[in-house]
Amino acid sequence: NAGVTQTPKFQVLKTGQSMTLQCAQDMNHEYMSWYRQDPGMGLRLIHYSVGAGITDQGEVPNGYNVSRSTTEDFPLRLLSAAPSQTSVYFCASSYARAAYNSPLHFGNGTRLTVT
Amino acid sequence: GIQVEQSPPDLILQEGANSTLRCNFSDSVNNLQWFHQNPWGQLINLFYIPSGTKQNGRLSATTVATERYSLLYISSSQTTDSGVYFCAAERTGRRALTFGSGTRLQVQP
Repeated sequence: NAGVTQTPKFQVLKTGQSMTLQCAQDMNHEYMSWYRQDPGMGLRLIHYSVGAGITDQGEVPNGYNVSRSTTEDFPLRLLSAAPSQTSVYFCASSYARAAYNSPLHFGNGTRLTVT
Repeated sequence: GIQVEQSPPDLILQEGANSTLRCNFSDSVNNLQWFHQNPWGQLINLFYIPSGTKQNGRLSATTVATERYSLLYISSSQTTDSGVYFCAAERTGRRALTFGSGTRLQVQP
C-alpha cells in the first residue's frame, strides 16, 4: 500500500513553461485535493475533486488546471509558470462518501521553483 | 470562507513538559483535523475530531463544536514531537479543509 504518491519530488521551471505535477493514490479514495504551502505559512487549497469527472476550485485556483479521469489519479497542471508559483505542492486524499471519520492523507510533496 | 486561527504561533518546551495547542474556527464544522508536519516536511494526520475527545498515546484532542474551538494536548513531550502542528476545519456543506497557520513546536533535550 503506497498511499499517496507524488512525482516529481523537485522541479525547476523557467517563467512561462508548463508542466504537470502527478498524484496517484491506491486507497480507493473518492476525494482528492491539491494544496500549496509557502514558507512559514499554512496550506492553501488549489483544487479538489469528490470523484472521477468532478472537480471544483479551492481558495487559490488561478494559474492551475486539474482533471479527474480515474479514481486513482489527480494531476495538477501549471499552464504558464510564474515566480509566484514557487512553492511546495501537496496532494491529499480521503474517503468522500461521508464526511465522518475521513482523515486526510498527504503525499510527500513536490518542491517547485520557478525562475 | 471559514477562518481558522491557531495559538500560540511558536512554543519552546523542555523534554518531558506538557503543552496545549488551541484552534479556533469561525463557523459550524463537520470536519476538524489535526496534523503534524515533521522537520522533513511530511504531513501526518493525528486526529479526525469534529467533536468530542480522542486519545492516541501521549497525544489527545478535544473539540467543542458548539463553542468553535479544538485543543491538542501533548504530554511528556519528546524531541521527536518537534515540528509544526496544523489544525484544519471544513465548514458544514463544503468539501474543502481550511488550514490554520500552525503552531511551531520545538522540544529541547
